Amino acid sequence: QVRLQESGPGLVKPSETLSLTCGVSGYSISDGYYWGWIRQPPGKGLEWIATISHSGNTSYNPSLKSRVTISVDTSKNQFSLKLTSVTAADTAVYYCARLILGAIDYWGQGTLVTVSS
Amino acid sequence: QSVLTQPPSVSAAPGQKVTISCSGSSSNIGNNYVSWYQQFPGTAPKLLIYENNKRPSGIPDRFSGSKSGASASLAITGLQTGDEADYYCGSWDSSLSGRLFGGGTKLTVL
Repeated sequence: QVRLQESGPGLVKPSETLSLTCGVSGYSISDGYYWGWIRQPPGKGLEWIATISHSGNTSYNPSLKSRVTISVDTSKNQFSLKLTSVTAADTAVYYCARLILGAIDYWGQGTLVTVSS
Repeated sequence: QSVLTQPPSVSAAPGQKVTISCSGSSSNIGNNYVSWYQQFPGTAPKLLIYENNKRPSGIPDRFSGSKSGASASLAITGLQTGDEADYYCGSWDSSLSGRLFGGGTKLTVL
């Protein structure tokens, strides 16, 4: 069974950098597929943030691209997200996920990140 | 406003059928696969349909997906109170080079 688990601070100050890591178990990232981050502001819908392949190929949401970096560490079987210059608008539940052709088949449980001073 | 358009809410009685629509364009639904997700409050979304009309293992055949042109639909038959949730469609957008989600539809089983 593939499992994904987000980790990172639940509170980030405005203008600082949000950093999250997703640990993967039950599947080796090196074996393939794409891995990504999706977020959901409180009471709102889903927003795709970024995707990375096992080999490091990346794609980013154009609206966030200037502030986002996604990276993968196959030795630790995990991937990470960095979002710079955060504001209150970045407050959301952040999900990490595995992406198959045309869909997202495994999701982490999600972690709430609040941007506040 | 989402590029993929869903009705904000739908409702139907237990045992009935409901259909949730998802409207897009040629750059997304029209030329890419559609997926559907079910989300209960406080939990992560769950994949219901992938590649337009395929069900992952464990998803009952009461859930079905279809696509025609730049629109897609999720049908749920034999509605149960446990189906009350938010439902999201998703697709890749070739112009944006990114994944898109619909705004979500809240299903109420009366």
